[in-house]
Amino acid sequence: DADVTQTPRNRITKTGKRIMLECSQTKGHDRMYWYRQDPGLGLRLIYYSFDVKDINKGEISDGYSVSRQAQAKFSLSLESAIPNQTALYFCATSDSALTGGNQPQHFGDGTRLSIL
Amino acid sequence: AQKVTQAQTEISVVEKEDVTLDCVYETRDTTYYLFWYKQPPSGELVFLIRRNSFDEQNEISGRYSWNFQKSTSSFNFTITASQVVDSAVYFCALSETMGAQKLVFGQGTRLTINP
Repeated sequence: DADVTQTPRNRITKTGKRIMLECSQTKGHDRMYWYRQDPGLGLRLIYYSFDVKDINKGEISDGYSVSRQAQAKFSLSLESAIPNQTALYFCATSDSALTGGNQPQHFGDGTRLSIL
Repeated sequence: AQKVTQAQTEISVVEKEDVTLDCVYETRDTTYYLFWYKQPPSGELVFLIRRNSFDEQNEISGRYSWNFQKSTSSFNFTITASQVVDSAVYFCALSETMGAQKLVFGQGTRLTINP
C-alpha cells in the first residue's frame, strides 16, 4: 500500500460544486502539504499543516480550504469549484523529527481534477 | 522571495546520449536546501536528491550526477548514457531552512529519450 494515499485519483465535476480531496498517510509524519500542478508552472503550495492544530496558507490559497482531521489525514476542499481550478493536486508529507536538516517531502500519486 | 528557474521546457535526445538539465535559483537565505524530483508518465513524484547549501560537493548515483555551484546559484542534473526509462518531467526545488520549509518548484523540464 502507498504511504501517502490520495482519493479520488480522478474527478470530473461542474462549476459551483463543492469538492473534497482527501489525503491520508501511514508514514507517521507530522507535516502535510497540498500543492497543485499546472502545465508550465510547476507545483505551487496551497496550504500546509505542521500538526492537527496548525494550518497555514500557502502561495495560492484563495478558493480553497483545508482540514487536518488527525495527524494522518489532511483534506482539501473547493467550496465552489471554478474551471481555473482544473489541475493535478498533490498531497505531501515530511517529518520534522528527523535530524539532518530539511527532509524530502513524500508525495501521493495525485488527484486529477477537471471542472467543467 | 525564492525562485527556481528551469529554462529548458523540453529536451529530446536519442538513447545513450548524455543530457544535462539546468536549474538556477534565487534566494536571500544563506542556508537552504535544493532538491530534484522525477515525475514519470504515470504521474507520481519521485524524490531523487537533496543538497544543502553548505555542501558543494558533486554527487554521483549510478548514471545520475548533480553539480551544485553556489557561485552561479545553479544545481544542474546530468544523466549519463540515457535510457528510455529516464523519460519524465524533472523538477528542481528550493526549500528554506526556517519556517514552513515549503518547497518552491521550478517549472519542470520534460525529458524525452528516444530509442
